[in-house]
Amino acid sequence: GAVVSQHPSWVICKSGTSVKIECRSLDFQATTMFWYRQFPKQSLMLMATSNEGSKATYEQGVEKDKFLINHASLTLSTLTVTSAHPEDSSFYICSARRETGLNYGYTFGSGTRLTVV
Amino acid sequence: GDSVTQMEGPVTLSEEAFLTINCTYTATGYPSLFWYVQYPGEGLQLLLKATKADDKGSNKGFEATYRKETTSFHLEKGSVQVSDSAVYFCALSDQGAQKLVFGQGTRLTINP
Repeated sequence: GAVVSQHPSWVICKSGTSVKIECRSLDFQATTMFWYRQFPKQSLMLMATSNEGSKATYEQGVEKDKFLINHASLTLSTLTVTSAHPEDSSFYICSARRETGLNYGYTFGSGTRLTVV
Repeated sequence: GDSVTQMEGPVTLSEEAFLTINCTYTATGYPSLFWYVQYPGEGLQLLLKATKADDKGSNKGFEATYRKETTSFHLEKGSVQVSDSAVYFCALSDQGAQKLVFGQGTRLTINP
């Protein structure tokens, strides 16, 4: 159980276009999802926390107009990279928090490799 | 704020060697502690976790004990395999803060 599906696994787009990445919790409801960005050989940088039905909370330095996050249901959050540029090329990973009574855990998607050319 | 510090890598070992990856943390409350593993080109997989002091998490031969007195959660394995080659992340979560705070990751390479 506790599976998170992230799609697409990789995408190549032209500079100036927008790209949408989906993150779905398949067998549990996730009121909170997280979006991370990972540069080569580096740790995960939290971009934003996404709560179902409300606006995302962005970390300092992350442009909310550049990285649009929507969490319209308890099983789906999307990240849209708007007007992508080569510097946006990176590995993006989502995570969903699941709560079972007093316990909680985090399940990660398999990541999306974005290349902007 | 909360933070996690891991030993710097990369770490290279021979197969069947003993592994220790150090992890220490700073937190204001009583966090839960995690180790995640990332294989090339993939997302993160939970390796083990511990939710309170003196708890030991274990999985696939890996172990880590939540040491509140030393604020540590070191990862150990008695005999590593080539298939253990990956990047390992130590992380903590405070119930109130909800989000995970990651260490910088340690790249492990096991040679046959």
